[in-house]
Parts: sequence; C-alpha cells; structure tokens
Amino acid sequence: GQQVQQSPASLVLQEGENAELQCNFSSTATRLQWFYQRPGGSLVSLLYNPSGTKHTGRLTSTTVTKERRSSLHISSSQTTDSGTYFCARAGGNNKLTFGQGTVLSVIP
Amino acid sequence: EAAVTQSPRNKVAVTGGKVTLSCNQTNNHNNMYWYRQDTGHGLRLIHYSYGAGSTEKGDIPDGYKASRPSQENFSLILELATPSQTSVYFCASGWGGQDTQYFGPGTRLLVL
Repeated sequence: GQQVQQSPASLVLQEGENAELQCNFSSTATRLQWFYQRPGGSLVSLLYNPSGTKHTGRLTSTTVTKERRSSLHISSSQTTDSGTYFCARAGGNNKLTFGQGTVLSVIP
Repeated sequence: EAAVTQSPRNKVAVTGGKVTLSCNQTNNHNNMYWYRQDTGHGLRLIHYSYGAGSTEKGDIPDGYKASRPSQENFSLILELATPSQTSVYFCASGWGGQDTQYFGPGTRLLVL
C-alpha cells in the first residue's frame, strides 16, 4: 500500500496567505524530506527534517516521528511558490519513497 | 550545487524498440538513482546504484535494466519499450546516508 500520503492534493491561495501541507507516512521514517517541483521542472530539496521543527526562509517543517506525520508551512505565499510539493521518506541507503504531491497555486 | 545532467531531454520511441536514457553527474557521488514520474503516483524508484559496476532493483524494476559503467554515468535501458513506459524519467545522485539527492532535469519519453 501507499507508504506516504499527502494532503491536500491541491490548494489555491491568494498571494500573501499561508499554506499548510500535510504528510503522513506508514512506518517510522529514518529521514523525511520536502521537495519542490516547478511546473515542468526538476525537483529541488527544500528541507530535511527527520524530527522536530526546522525553518528556512518562509518555510517551516514540523515532523512528529512517533505520530508518523510531517507538515510544511509556507508563510506569506508568493506567486513564485506555485508548483508541486512532495514529501519523501528515506529508507535504507537513502532510497526515497515519495508521496503523490500537493499542487499549490498562488494567484495574485 | 551538484550538477546532474540527462540526455536526451525528449525522446519518441516505437513499441518494441530499445531506448537508452543517460545520466551524468560531476560531483563524484557514490549513489545514483532512476525514478519515473506519472500523474497520481509521485516519483517511483526504478533502479539505483552504490557505485561503478553496481546496480540494484528499486520498487518498480520490471521492464527496465540499468548500467553504471563509471562513477559519473548511470544509464536506464528499456530493451523492449511499451506504451506503459511513457513517462518522465528523473535521474538523481547523492552520497547516501543523510545527504539529500540532487535531481537532473528529466527526460520525457513517449512510446508510440
């Protein structure tokens, strides 16, 4: 079955609003990462967060390992934040299992 | 920033034909990975490698072979391409362990 579940599948925001993306994983993750994909582009790592809370710029990730969930908070969204956000669980030798992604659209 | 390149960037193939997708990384990473991305499935791991000469099966290896002739190069081979292999393929590299993976720009493959 699906090991990594993301919600919502899609999200539309007005510029300046905050976004909250959720990730649930079916087994205790050794590492949990968030990636961003621009439409038609490649993937870029945003945050590596196996547990606790991590910040970078306008992004905050909180992972509660024993509850098998992680969230990505984007504050003051901008149109350039539009794209797809993936969480991925890393297993042995850093093999990644991805969720299906959340498509974020930020409109001006 | 790690540099991972893929070729070709776009490919049209015929059913039953052989397709080779190439990946090159210039950061001397030990590990390399091949994923495919399809709508509704996110990215799924096809094959990976720990270093030159090694290949390992990922989560969806059927219909694919891989080759790692050197530290820098990792190829994905479709011996008999089928329309179900139409997808976007991403190569990635990394040190393994707690390091992140660095992704290439992707190859769009259409099998007719």
